[in-house]
Amino acid sequence: EVQLLESGGGLVQPGGSLRLSCAASGFTFSSFAMSWVRQAPGKGLEWVSGISGSGGGTYYADSVKGRFTISRDNSKNTLYLQMSSLRAEDTAVYYCAKGMCSSNTCARQGYFDYWGQGTLVTVSS
Amino acid sequence: EIVLTQSPGTLSLSPGERATLSCRASQSVSSINLAWYQQKPGQAPRLLIFGASSRATGIPDRFSGSGSGTDFTLTISRLEPEDFAVYYCQQYGSSPPTFGGGTKVEIK
Repeated sequence: EVQLLESGGGLVQPGGSLRLSCAASGFTFSSFAMSWVRQAPGKGLEWVSGISGSGGGTYYADSVKGRFTISRDNSKNTLYLQMSSLRAEDTAVYYCAKGMCSSNTCARQGYFDYWGQGTLVTVSS
Repeated sequence: EIVLTQSPGTLSLSPGERATLSCRASQSVSSINLAWYQQKPGQAPRLLIFGASSRATGIPDRFSGSGSGTDFTLTISRLEPEDFAVYYCQQYGSSPPTFGGGTKVEIK
């Protein structure tokens, strides 16, 4: 059974940093691209970032480019999102989501067959 | 980026009725790269449809997708109580992948 478990969310002040993690199990982690998708309170879904199965390809939404960094450790079956220079508009539930293949294409423009339950990030003073 | 517009915003129907949800793209979605998701309150989205018309694993056949180019439709043939939720379309034919604003299917 595929499982994705996010952690690391919490309350952070504007300008601060936070690192999210997503522990994966139930599939061959290195064989699939992964993404982070967020949802602001009461709003729709927004793709944030994607990474290829090897980790060699990383992609970002314009809204987070230069502030967020996606990475993965295939030996630990874990996906990460390092967030810095956080803004109030970054407040959202952050989901990790499994892509359909390993390639750079799946990382930058794929769809998602499994999602974690999400972790809430609140940026506020 | 491709903007997806979903309509209506809210659909009020009774169990057993047919639901028709629309998703319109600001430009053509290449190779019918369109997916639909269902989201219930406090839960993660669940993949229903990919490739515009292919059902994901375990999705009942009352859910069907159709369309191409800029116009796509999700149809729920007979609403079950568990189908009342918010539905999102997503295009993945170009980067960045984008989502529609959602259609809420509520009990009338």
